[in-house]
Amino acid sequence: GQQLNQSPQSMFIQEGEDVSMNCTSSSIFNTWLWYKQDPGEGPVLLIALYKAGELTSNGRLTAQFGITRKDSFLNISASIPSDVGIYFCAGSNYLWGGATNKLIFGTGTLLAVQP
Amino acid sequence: ETGVTQTPRHLVMGMTNKKSLKCEQHLGHNAMYWYKQSAKKPLELMFVYNFKEQTENNSVPSRFSPECPNSSHLFLHLHTLQPEDSALYLCASSPEDLNTEAFFGQGTRLTVV
Repeated sequence: GQQLNQSPQSMFIQEGEDVSMNCTSSSIFNTWLWYKQDPGEGPVLLIALYKAGELTSNGRLTAQFGITRKDSFLNISASIPSDVGIYFCAGSNYLWGGATNKLIFGTGTLLAVQP
Repeated sequence: ETGVTQTPRHLVMGMTNKKSLKCEQHLGHNAMYWYKQSAKKPLELMFVYNFKEQTENNSVPSRFSPECPNSSHLFLHLHTLQPEDSALYLCASSPEDLNTEAFFGQGTRLTVV
């Protein structure tokens, strides 16, 4: 089945550093989503991307939908301690005409920020 | 009031027990989902409901039985589970099943003993 390769698996950085993580797929997606999950909580949607080449920001977060439609990256600038958590990419490739969509998730990137 | 609410937050059950997980969404969405999150594995889609009709069953064992009485409520009935079913069960909703901008609940941490 479809798989999303997310890297890196984990990152340990100093407060104030910039962070970059990415996700690649073996097949084309129409939608890329980035989520953050805190311990004991459900994932929270950060950014949604719907168009190849699209670059979208949400505060210190920036995400891009790759031109090939097979990848996406998420950047976090000037990290702070509350950025700690697991970041998931997710992609889908829905078909018009009633086929049920499936959201495929990556394995996550664990981010630790040292104050 | 959070958008998607799940109860209980934690559940410990024996292999012969029957229990149910509940999910309620206050977002006016028409699609609801059950996901399973196990350690070191990607989120696994279990079931999809769109306008109360089940549109996806991702080869889930019959010991998991979903119920969607209306677009705002989703249940997952559990019976004769196995220890390997221990995981975080997440409910999500989206405007409809072709719009995958899913919003998740906080999850139910299930432990089967």
